[in-house]
This record gives sequence, structure tokens and C-alpha cells, in this order.
Amino acid sequence: ETGVTQSPTHLIKTRGQQVTLRCSSQSGHNTVSWYQQALGQGPQFIFQYYREEENGRGNFPPRFSGLQFPNYSSELNVNALELDDSALYLCASSLRDREYNEQFFGPGTRLTVL
Amino acid sequence: AQSVTQLDSQVPVFEEAPVELRCNYSSSVSVYLFWYVQYPNQGLQLLLKYLSGSTLVKGINGFEAEFNKSQTSFHLRKPSVHISDTAEYFCAVSEGYSTLTFGKGTMLLVSP
Repeated sequence: ETGVTQSPTHLIKTRGQQVTLRCSSQSGHNTVSWYQQALGQGPQFIFQYYREEENGRGNFPPRFSGLQFPNYSSELNVNALELDDSALYLCASSLRDREYNEQFFGPGTRLTVL
Repeated sequence: AQSVTQLDSQVPVFEEAPVELRCNYSSSVSVYLFWYVQYPNQGLQLLLKYLSGSTLVKGINGFEAEFNKSQTSFHLRKPSVHISDTAEYFCAVSEGYSTLTFGKGTMLLVSP
């Protein structure tokens, strides 16, 4: 069984640029959630995708957007990067057929904005 | 809205000593509770979860946690820690299909 994978591992961008992060779900999972983890903080929910549609969103501006593909992989896009966007971005997949939301996390993408 | 408070940002402990990491939550409905561990430069790994039933939950690596509804707490314990337990620990709460809300984390520092 393949776990959740993310690419790239690290990324350096400059302020104002755009970035795309990618996530492959664990086999058999149909839901993907994205989290931002700033240094020294717990992960914060960005949004969740289920059946290729956004299914919930945290307190993040519209310049954070996403996609989920038919194979349940996902992308996180961030436009007009700001210094505060520097963080570890975590992707988590789950199977939405249970009462609870057990999520399996990938290793993350470390984004640095200069 | 749900929230999680981890009362200690850092917990230093000697190897083979017991440890307790504290977690309190607030929610207006029934919740599911989780503890995750994060080793340096890695993602989150699930240690244990409380869904229903017995309030004492056992997880991996010898950790356990007790759900206390009246005190809205879900403290994590281990009777004897190892150097390899040094990591960041996150408590999280979920309301059904909703997403996870995390605490700010507790850094467990185990020294010889």
C-alpha cells in the first residue's frame, strides 16, 4: 500500500511569484486536505477536496486555491506569494465512508518565500 | 467552533522517566480526538485516537491517552520514555467529517 506522497520536498520562491504543490493520495482514499504549518505552530486547515470539489475551507484568502483530479491526487496553488506564506505544507488523505476523519499525512513540502 | 489547547510548549524529561503531555479541547458537539507525532523534517504520524467507548486509549510506541469528558481533556502519557521519543506532539480534534483542528504542539525533549 503506497502512502501519501508530496512533491517537491523543498521549494524557494520570491515574493509575488506563484507556486504549485502536488500530493498523491494513499491508495483507496477519496478525500484530500491541505494544511499550512508555520514554524513553531500546529498545522492549520487550508481546504479539503472530496470528489473533485472543494468541501470546506479554512481562514485563507482566495489566492490559495486547489484541485483534485479523478485519481484523487491534488494540487495546492498559491498566487502572489507573501513572506508569511513560508511554511511546511502538509497534505492528508482519508476515506470518506466513516463517521470520523482519520487522516494520513504526507511528509510535506517546505516552502520558503524570499 | 472547536479549539485545542496544549498547555506546555516544551516538556524536558530524563530517559526512562514517565511523561504526561496535556491537551484540553472545546467543542459544542461530540468530538473525535487524536494525538499525532512529528519527527524533525517529517510529516505527522498518528499515535492514537479516541472515537467512542473506553476512555483509556492505547496507541503505538507504548503511548496511551485518557479521554475525560467532564474536564474536556485528552492527556497523553507514557510510563517510560526513550531518547527516540524526542519529537513534537500534536493534539487534534475533529467533528465527524470536518477537518482536524490542531493545538500548537508540545516538544518532548528526552535526555540521557
